[in-house]
Amino acid sequence: DQQVKQNSPSLSVQEGRISILNCDYTNSMFDYFLWYKKYPAEGPTFLISISSIKDKNEDGRFTVFLNKSAKHLSLHIVPSQPGDSAVYFCAARASNFGNEKLTFGTGTRLTIIP
Amino acid sequence: DTEVTQTPKHLVMGMTNKKSLKCEQHMGHRAMYWYKQKAKKPPELMFVYSYEKLSINESVPSRFSPECPNSSLLNLHLHALQPEDSALYLCASSRGQPGGRNEQFFGPGTRLTVL
Repeated sequence: DQQVKQNSPSLSVQEGRISILNCDYTNSMFDYFLWYKKYPAEGPTFLISISSIKDKNEDGRFTVFLNKSAKHLSLHIVPSQPGDSAVYFCAARASNFGNEKLTFGTGTRLTIIP
Repeated sequence: DTEVTQTPKHLVMGMTNKKSLKCEQHMGHRAMYWYKQKAKKPPELMFVYSYEKLSINESVPSRFSPECPNSSLLNLHLHALQPEDSALYLCASSRGQPGGRNEQFFGPGTRLTVL
């Protein structure tokens, strides 16, 4: 049962344009959502997060949007840069007294075309 | 120091061997995690330690044995593994405080191959 889904396994975007990565979830108990970026042979790197009480969070070139009614979130990267080429994982949390079990999506491989 | 370190980087072991993976963080985090990641799959949670106590075991086979000697260290002891256990093993840590952001910081992983 895949509770967090990223339906696009790959995405190619021209440098300088906007990259939009999507994520859907099914568990209404999830209260916090995170995006991680992963290069080959490295651990995931935290990018940005959003609480379920918000619908938007922005940090530099990265913005995450949350639509709770649709159980959908998206990560916008603008402008896209070659160094953004990586696999992006969406993750969701249902809190339990401070240690969170993160459920990850299947990932989207983003390729930025120079 | 915002780093989670893992040793070794690579490990090759036979099915009868006993080995250990090590993880260390000096961020004062009180929650530490072990994940397993197979190729082209997302990380899957194995264990969570909170304040040095095991709080979550995701029905992991007993051939994997976690240990948290202190708040900065996390070990994963391996014994009698199977070839299908070959994967990238990731350690992570977070503040472990109720509420708040508590994002998890990941180490670079140990690439394990079981022959």
